[in-house]
Amino acid sequence: EAEVAQSPRYKITEKSQAVAFWCDPISGHATLYWYRQILGQGPELLVQFQDESVVDDSQLPKDRFSAERLKGVDSTLKIQPAELGDSAMYLCASSGDRPGEKLFFGSGTQLSVL
Amino acid sequence: QKEVEQNSGPLSVPEGAIASLNCTYSDRGSQSFFWYRQYSGKSPELIMFIYSNGDKEDGRFTAQLNKASQYVSLLIRDSQPSDSATYLCAVNENAGNMLTFGGGTRLMVKP
Repeated sequence: EAEVAQSPRYKITEKSQAVAFWCDPISGHATLYWYRQILGQGPELLVQFQDESVVDDSQLPKDRFSAERLKGVDSTLKIQPAELGDSAMYLCASSGDRPGEKLFFGSGTQLSVL
Repeated sequence: QKEVEQNSGPLSVPEGAIASLNCTYSDRGSQSFFWYRQYSGKSPELIMFIYSNGDKEDGRFTAQLNKASQYVSLLIRDSQPSDSATYLCAVNENAGNMLTFGGGTRLMVKP
């Protein structure tokens, strides 16, 4: 069964350091999403890609976060510098590009900033 | 601001009972509705989706949608301890596939 691949599964870093997360969507899925989930809350969208183009990054803190999907396949989310409040689960998801398509999530990266 | 609201719980039900989870949404233009199950420390897993008013059944799960009332619910029949998890309601607007999630309801099924 096709899955969204994410790495690393866990990341511990110190504040002010840089961190990066990687995601490979389900083959053929044109749309890729990065969500952030703080403990006890629902996932919140950070950025949405359609192929290599950003569709929505209105909730991405652009002073420290960046995301790219250069060839329209896999994607990287970076935080520099990390802050204590960035501790959360970072979830990647993908879907087809027709309206109403289901989103499938990867296993997520649990980030702890010390 | 578009919102999806859920009671955070915990909702506690005995094994074998029906668990009823509710969700309201603010955007009348919403077209697609999803329920995800999330175990502690794991990522969300899609368990049900519904696009039209009425009921949709899949095994022990039934999703119910009432667009006029902007209300969607999930019923779990014959609840099992393995159903203990957080259930996330997610709503899709009619433009694009971005999902807006509620905060989740934590369900506890007691043996």
